[in-house]
Amino acid sequence: EVQLVESGGGLVQPGGSLRLSCAASGFTFSSYSMNWVRQAPGKGLEWVSYISSSSSTIYYADSVKGRFTISRDNAKNSLYLQMNSLRDEDTAVYYCAREFRDYYGSGSYSTFDYWGQGTLVTVSS
Amino acid sequence: DIQLTQSPSFLSASVGDRVTITCRASQGISSYLAWYQQKPGKAPKLLIYAASTLQSGVPSRFSGSGSGTEFTLTISSLQPEDFATYYCQQLNSYPLLTFGGGTKVEIK
Repeated sequence: EVQLVESGGGLVQPGGSLRLSCAASGFTFSSYSMNWVRQAPGKGLEWVSYISSSSSTIYYADSVKGRFTISRDNAKNSLYLQMNSLRDEDTAVYYCAREFRDYYGSGSYSTFDYWGQGTLVTVSS
Repeated sequence: DIQLTQSPSFLSASVGDRVTITCRASQGISSYLAWYQQKPGKAPKLLIYAASTLQSGVPSRFSGSGSGTEFTLTISSLQPEDFATYYCQQLNSYPLLTFGGGTKVEIK
């Protein structure tokens, strides 16, 4: 059974740092690209960051670029999000999500097929 | 950036009703669209990808259609467990993936 379990959330002051982890099990972690998605209280979903299976390709949303760093350790089946210079507007539940690709002909459709339960990050003084 | 506009943002319906949710993209995204269901306090759950492909294990009362800029999610006969918030997501323009604002389906 595929499982994604986030940890590391908590209360942090503005300007502070936090490191989130996502422990994966039930699938070959090293074969999948992964993402972080967040949801502010009472709001919709916002994609945050992407990392390819080998860590060779990394993307960030403009709202976190230069402050957040995504990484992974395939030997430990773990995904990470280092969050620095945190702001009030970073308050959210953070989810890790696996990217699934369905290949057809010369292309593929991707989607997020498994999500963790989320970890709450609260930025407040 | 590609913007996704869902309508309606709120929907009140009864068990057994046919429900349709629309997602409009600000520019063409072919069929690179997914639909998710989210219940309070839970993670989103994938329902449909590639605009119309039902994810394994998802009941057949859910269906998706559309391509280009207009997409729909249809629930053919609303069940009690379907009351939730539904989001569309475009996967055409990596890395700037975007979600729609959500449609909350509540009991009438």
